[in-house]
Amino acid sequence: GEDVEQSLFLSVREGDSSVINCTYTDSSSTYLYWYKQEPGAGLQLLTYIFSNMDMKQDQRLTVLLNKKDKHLSLRIADTQTGDSAIYFCAESYTDKLIFGTGTRLQVFP
Amino acid sequence: DADVTQTPRNRITKTGKRIMLECSQTKGHDRMYWYRQDPGLGLRLIYYSFDVKDINKGEISDGYSVSRQAQAKFSLSLESAIPNQTALYFCATETMRGEQFFGPGTRLTVL
Repeated sequence: GEDVEQSLFLSVREGDSSVINCTYTDSSSTYLYWYKQEPGAGLQLLTYIFSNMDMKQDQRLTVLLNKKDKHLSLRIADTQTGDSAIYFCAESYTDKLIFGTGTRLQVFP
Repeated sequence: DADVTQTPRNRITKTGKRIMLECSQTKGHDRMYWYRQDPGLGLRLIYYSFDVKDINKGEISDGYSVSRQAQAKFSLSLESAIPNQTALYFCATETMRGEQFFGPGTRLTVL
């Protein structure tokens, strides 16, 4: 079946950049997504990228897509303590989204 | 007011009990989803619905049923709850572009 993989943890210092990586298996995905989950809350869509793009920038967020390697990354510039959360990547597959296991980002002062 | 609401937010029940989790949305989206979240497993799809007359099983539908009472309402039932259904349950709506909007979740504990 389709699979989306992420590393489980990432720890960064406040002010540094964070890079969260994701690999996926379905090369026909039209869109790929990044969601953020804060403690006690549901997932919130952060950004998405269309599969014919290789980069998308939105303020502090940069999404890079390497279709050949089926690799997606989310870079957060100037990481703040408020960015501490779990980040999920997701690929569109037929009529559903397939989510990764999530990467817990911890930001320390 | 929140666009996607879930009730209850927390529920503790006993093995064998019937439980219903409710989801309402004001976003006007036709597509709605139910997921469960377990630590280290991400989100897994239970059921989804593209409109009032359409219900589809997800990857882990066994032990669950759903009802789409209206465009705005999608409820999830556990006919006879068991302890391994202890999890965080999320309802979501979706745009035609695949952007999903999640409710705040229901934490269910089955003793």
